[in-house]
Amino acid sequence: GAVVSQHPSWVICKSGTSVKIECRSLDFQATTMFWYRQFPKQSLMLMATSNEGSKATYEQGVEKDKFLINHASLTLSTLTVTSAHPEDSSFYICSAKTTAGEASPLHFGNGTRLTVT
Amino acid sequence: GQNIDQPTEMTATEGAIVQINCTYQTSGFNGLFWYQQHAGEAPTFLSYNVLDGLEEKGRFSSFLSRSKGYSYLLLKELQMKDSASYLCAVKNSNYQLIWGAGTKLIIKP
Repeated sequence: GAVVSQHPSWVICKSGTSVKIECRSLDFQATTMFWYRQFPKQSLMLMATSNEGSKATYEQGVEKDKFLINHASLTLSTLTVTSAHPEDSSFYICSAKTTAGEASPLHFGNGTRLTVT
Repeated sequence: GQNIDQPTEMTATEGAIVQINCTYQTSGFNGLFWYQQHAGEAPTFLSYNVLDGLEEKGRFSSFLSRSKGYSYLLLKELQMKDSASYLCAVKNSNYQLIWGAGTKLIIKP
């Protein structure tokens, strides 16, 4: 089945530093990947849609200069949280679809739990 | 606005049947998904409905009524490992996924 690998699984960083999260599609090519954030006991919140070879599309309220997304290849997208603050502490999850069809479900990475101290 | 409503929490007994409801109000409809999410983990895909009716997949079934803006996920022969949150998500006319807050299902022995 479709496998999406996300790394790291968890990270603790100090306030003001930057953190990079990688998302890889291991056995398929993903022209589009999605980045979500999930706070405790809340649903998934789409942050941005990452398109291979072009700029990401950010959802309203998400700062593109703070959450840098790079989708340089068909199998890799990265999310960099710049100048992290404690309020950025959350569960970040990437996802991708194996095909462009609307019935195609999302396959999620295992998520990255970010804690900013 | 667009919203997805699901019960916050449900409790059921091992071996029993439970039905998790989802009602939605979205700008258009292009399919409804159910995902399972264990605590601390990412969601995994369970089912997809785009036409009215029941889709059965093993112990899990999902039903859709587009005229009522309603879906349910039916879990049979409950097992302890089914304890998780169940997320309902609807794709609207712009093909955006609108997520419900999830239903936390607690299975008791």
